[in-house]
Formats: sequence, C-alpha cells, structure tokens
Amino acid sequence: KQEVTQIPAALSVPEGENLVLNCSFTDSAIYNLQWFRQDPGKGLTSLLLIQSSQREQTSGRLNASLDKSSGRSTLYIAASQPGDSATYLCAVWWFNKFYFGSGTKLNVKP
Amino acid sequence: NAGVTQTPKFRVLKTGQSMTLLCAQDMNHEYMYWYRQDPGMGLRLIHYSVGEGTTAKGEVPDGYNVSRLKKQNFLLGLESAAPSQTSVYFCASSRGPGGSNQPQHFGDGTRLSIL
Repeated sequence: KQEVTQIPAALSVPEGENLVLNCSFTDSAIYNLQWFRQDPGKGLTSLLLIQSSQREQTSGRLNASLDKSSGRSTLYIAASQPGDSATYLCAVWWFNKFYFGSGTKLNVKP
Repeated sequence: NAGVTQTPKFRVLKTGQSMTLLCAQDMNHEYMYWYRQDPGMGLRLIHYSVGEGTTAKGEVPDGYNVSRLKKQNFLLGLESAAPSQTSVYFCASSRGPGGSNQPQHFGDGTRLSIL
C-alpha cells in the first residue's frame, strides 16, 4: 500500500523567510505528484504538478522537486508572505488512485 | 466560472437516515472523484468516475454509492448514515486521468455530521 507522509505537521515562520515543506512516499512507482493549497473551510487548489519523468516544476515563488528513487518531494516557498498561510498537501498518483498526505499547516507571521 | 460546485455545504443527519450529495462541474471534465477528509488522515478516495455512466471504487467505498448519469454531475449517496461517516466530503474533477499532466479541480466541500 502507498503511504504519503508530510513533516512537519505545522510550521510557523516570520514573514520573508524562505522555507521547505517535505513530502515522502513509500512506493516510488508513481505517475505524478501534485502539491495543493487548502485554505480554512475551502477546497484544495492545485499549485504544482510534477510528472514522474520530471525533476522539478516552478510557479512564481514556488518550486517543487521530485526524487522518485528516494521517495521524496519538497516544496520550496521563497520570501514567504502572510498570504501564504494555509495547509499544504501533497498527493501521488499510484495504480489508478490518488494518495494524499495529511498536510503541513503553515503560519507566516507579519 | 463556477468550476466545481457541491450541494449542500452543511448537513446534520441522524444515524440511519439517507442522503445524496451533489457535485456539478462546468468544465466538461471526463474524470470525477469523491473524497472524504478526516482530521490527521488527509484525503481518502471513496469512488471515482472516468466518464459518463461509469463508476469505480476507491480506497474507502463501503457505505457509499455513486452515480454518473450525466457528464457534469457526480452523486454520492449514503443509504444508512453512521457516525463514522461524519467528515468533510470533497468532489474533484479533471480533464485527463490522474496520471496525466491534468490537475484536479476541487469543490469547497460538504461538512456532514451524523448524530
């Protein structure tokens, strides 16, 4: 069975700091990995999607990397802002199903 | 752009009651999914559909049924609600299969409490 783990569960940083969120998965035979943002009381918004053949994807201040062989992905957020405060989830597509981590709750303090 | 719309947003049921959650998407997506989100457990796939008239079981299908009679709608039914089904339910849709480069689009969720 595929298990997706995100550490830490919560993170609090001062505004302007660069930060890294971690995602690990137990079976490396994934087709892709997706990072989402979830605001309180809302659904998930897709941030970045990395195909299994890719190493990284970038969008604005966000950069996601994928190392399939080690079963790890990182989401790098540059120059964090209070508006980045949310829960960040990763998910992998494995044998025709998505498997989600439980998320990292990020708080960026002004 | 409505995107993915879920109805209702909140509901309280008594044990044994039945109800249907509605998901509607206006993006002409083929693929649709129902998830439940519980504290500390992330999202788990209940059922999904790869096109009109099709359904398939996900990771936690027991106690739920689904139907996809129209391409734009995906219904999730609880025949006899149990307290263990108290959760937040999310619907999602995508243009291509999950293994493609097409991201999933999510609704805002239905918060369901079973007393």
